[in-house]
Amino acid sequence: DSGVTQTPKHLITATGQRVTLRCSPRSGDLSVYWYQQSLDQGLQFLIQYYNGEERAKGNILERFSAQQFPDLHSELNLSSLELGDSALYFCASSTGTGNTGELFFGEGSRLTVL
Amino acid sequence: QQQVKQSPQSLIVQKGGISIINCAYENTAFDYFPWYQQFPGKGPALLIAIRPDVSEKKEGRFTISFNKSAKQFSLHIMDSQPGDSATYFCAAANEHSNNRKLIWGLGTSLAVNP
Repeated sequence: DSGVTQTPKHLITATGQRVTLRCSPRSGDLSVYWYQQSLDQGLQFLIQYYNGEERAKGNILERFSAQQFPDLHSELNLSSLELGDSALYFCASSTGTGNTGELFFGEGSRLTVL
Repeated sequence: QQQVKQSPQSLIVQKGGISIINCAYENTAFDYFPWYQQFPGKGPALLIAIRPDVSEKKEGRFTISFNKSAKQFSLHIMDSQPGDSATYFCAAANEHSNNRKLIWGLGTSLAVNP
């Protein structure tokens, strides 16, 4: 158990809809990262927050947004969903600000867009 | 642009054999090279990491070999076991850059036959 909690584990929705994925980091970790994993693209870094502030941005679509709240949990909002957004979405946390320390991943939220 | 190229995409090894996964990178500023292991239904977990001040790092049956001049690093799994069957990701980052994002390989699916 990594200590990172993600909800929901599975989500099925329709194109055009909006969903919110939630992540609770490990106790004491200030950084939260969101990744998208699909079969053909591997792990794609979306965005990182550190102590409530956006720290780094990756290949995150404009239809996607995220935030980190004062209690350090984070939410990833996906809107105007398309079939291609079907993927596993992972949250990870770490103690520091950079990506070069150990990342602790949750078990992921599997999104299916029909 | 894929800055970390991982091969092979999939690998089948007999129990007791040696599994070898290779990664090549382009950015000479990279100075942190972790390997993550992902079991089905789980998030990736840090397996072992190396920095370029050493050419090899060993932890149990897992060894990273690093060749700075060739810009390559590899994971060797000695005495491979069925429990090692998982997807392995290499990654790279520049610890001394303001943008210390991990750049990930696309993963190698390892199956160890009993």
